[in-house]
Amino acid sequence: NAGVTQTPKFQVLKTGQSMTLQCAQDMNHEYMSWYRQDPGMGLRLIHYSVGAGITDQGEVPNGYNVSRSTTEDFPLRLLSAAPSQTSVYFCASRSGTEETQYFGPGTRLLVL
Amino acid sequence: SQQGEEDPQALSIQEGENATMNCSYKTSINNLQWYRQNSGRGLVHLILIRSNEREKHSGRLRVTLDTSKKSSSLLITASRAADTASYFCATDEAPSGGGADGLTFGKGTHLIIQP
Repeated sequence: NAGVTQTPKFQVLKTGQSMTLQCAQDMNHEYMSWYRQDPGMGLRLIHYSVGAGITDQGEVPNGYNVSRSTTEDFPLRLLSAAPSQTSVYFCASRSGTEETQYFGPGTRLLVL
Repeated sequence: SQQGEEDPQALSIQEGENATMNCSYKTSINNLQWYRQNSGRGLVHLILIRSNEREKHSGRLRVTLDTSKKSSSLLITASRAADTASYFCATDEAPSGGGADGLTFGKGTHLIIQP
């Protein structure tokens, strides 16, 4: 199993550009989440999904969209990038029967 | 808002010594987890303790939970250079404005093991 994979590993955007961060898991997990991590901070929840076709907002959802058309994939879309969205983004998944979350390696995003 | 708050923010000890990190949280929880993050990497789950448990062990890790004080501690015994990482506590209580899933993380303790 590859676990949770994220692409790209690193991305530079200009203010106003849009992009999609990809996340995929091959563990057949129902739950998937997106977090952002800023320097000296813990992770903050952006959006999450409890199953295909179901998404909901986390603590810091503004400026981000998500969709969950399949169990495996959970892309995060930045609609119009802002410097405040410079961060490291982590995708995570878990099964419905356990609380342990499995994290991807992260995507480093720099918005100029 | 951050739920868990780790203490200390940074800790440097000699290899072989024990390392203790503390975490405090604000509201009722069902469980508390500890994760490790090596520099530039994703988080790795270490251990989970449920609200009805007071202590749990896993290898060189010992976790305690005091729900009356809303606090937890992580003890790493006989530390090794490979233990150098950031350690985060996370609770299952939804952050303000959040929903029914996802974890709420503290800011972490950066542990450095000196050889």
